[in-house]
Amino acid sequence: ELKVEQNPLFLSMQEGKNYTIYCNYSTTSDRLYWYRQDPGKSLESLFVLLSNGAVKQEGRLMASLDTKARLSTLHITAAVHDLSATYFCAVDRDNDMRFGAGTRLTVKP
Amino acid sequence: DTAVSQTPKYLVTQMGNDKSIKCEQNLGHDTMYWYKQDSKKFLKIMFSYNNKELIINETVPNRFSPKSPDKAHLNLHINSLELGDSAVYFCASSRYRDRPGDYGYTFGSGTRLTVV
Repeated sequence: ELKVEQNPLFLSMQEGKNYTIYCNYSTTSDRLYWYRQDPGKSLESLFVLLSNGAVKQEGRLMASLDTKARLSTLHITAAVHDLSATYFCAVDRDNDMRFGAGTRLTVKP
Repeated sequence: DTAVSQTPKYLVTQMGNDKSIKCEQNLGHDTMYWYKQDSKKFLKIMFSYNNKELIINETVPNRFSPKSPDKAHLNLHINSLELGDSAVYFCASSRYRDRPGDYGYTFGSGTRLTVV
């Protein structure tokens, strides 16, 4: 069974600092996703990573994928308050997408 | 135009009642899903349909029955509601795996179900 582990589960950061969220998964997969969820809202797709070594960047967020290690990272650069949200990684295999537990990020001034 | 629309957005009901949640997508996707998000924010897949055919049926009480009248619609019917069914239910859609192109999943806005 495909399992996805994400850490940390809770992350409190100061504005301007950098940090990385980690996502490990248990079996080979087709795609890896990162989503953002604001309180009371739906899931917003941030990145889709398809192949080993894939790196994607959008603003202060950068995601990477190492399929050999079955590891993806979401790196936050110079955090700002607007990035406060819950971030999920999810792994898709044969149209069966499983989520990590989520990282609740709080960015403090 | 909303890509994946769910109704209702909020649903408050008593234990033992039967209720339905509807989902429609206008993206031309082949595959639709139901996910449950509990109070701790865990997201768990419940069902998926590809072109009206059930392809994923997780360990979910048989009080939950999905129905897909066509590939643009996936409804969820819940019988004999229990307190533990309280959660947010998300519908989603995507292309099927053997069709290249956009691999994204699009999620609906969610239905917050509260059983009292």
